[in-house]
Amino acid sequence: DAGVIQSPRHEVTEMGQEVTLRCKPISGHNSLFWYRQTMMRGLELLIYFNNNVPIDDSGMPEDRFSAKMPNASFSTLKIQPSEPRDSAVYFCASRKTGLALNTGELFFGEGSRLTVL
Amino acid sequence: DQQVKQNSPSLSVQEGRISILNCDYTNSMFDYFLWYKKYPAEGPTFLISISSIKDKNEDGRFTVFLNKSAKHLSLHIVPSQPGDSAVYFCAATLGTSGSRLTFGEGTQLTVNP
Repeated sequence: DAGVIQSPRHEVTEMGQEVTLRCKPISGHNSLFWYRQTMMRGLELLIYFNNNVPIDDSGMPEDRFSAKMPNASFSTLKIQPSEPRDSAVYFCASRKTGLALNTGELFFGEGSRLTVL
Repeated sequence: DQQVKQNSPSLSVQEGRISILNCDYTNSMFDYFLWYKKYPAEGPTFLISISSIKDKNEDGRFTVFLNKSAKHLSLHIVPSQPGDSAVYFCAATLGTSGSRLTFGEGTQLTVNP
């Protein structure tokens, strides 16, 4: 079974450039999450969607960040313009809404490592 | 405002010995706690969880202990194996079906042969 698929796996870009990260959730999952991993703060929730609708974007750092989910099988996280402090690993995760988190029903992709020079 | 904290960024233990990873939280409303394990270049994967109505949950070599009064939980791995070397994240949530997991910073565990 295909898991959560993220692309690109690695992205190196220069400050000021636009960055787009992509995610394909597991088929049948209707909740999608974007997390960012940094050394200082661990895994931070940026935004999550239920049934393609953004529910909580309070973790999005600032207006330079935006996320969309045009359909059930695709989501993007965009940073424009990018800055060196955005360098991190960005994870996408998905699950079926309502299934218990304590049984492990949240599945992560392999992450997109972003480096902004 | 870090509601879940893992104060040890790294831990090194000898194969066969016990590994103890610690986690503290500040939000007394959290009622489920989870541990995730992450290998390099992979996403985190679920390891074990505990409800706030319990103080211990065991799954094979892994045991999680919860001390609600101290707002502290720990993960014990006995015996530790080199394959356990990974980053371990503690996480907390409100309700098992809640959508928001709050993670700690992670602890890098290295098990030496």
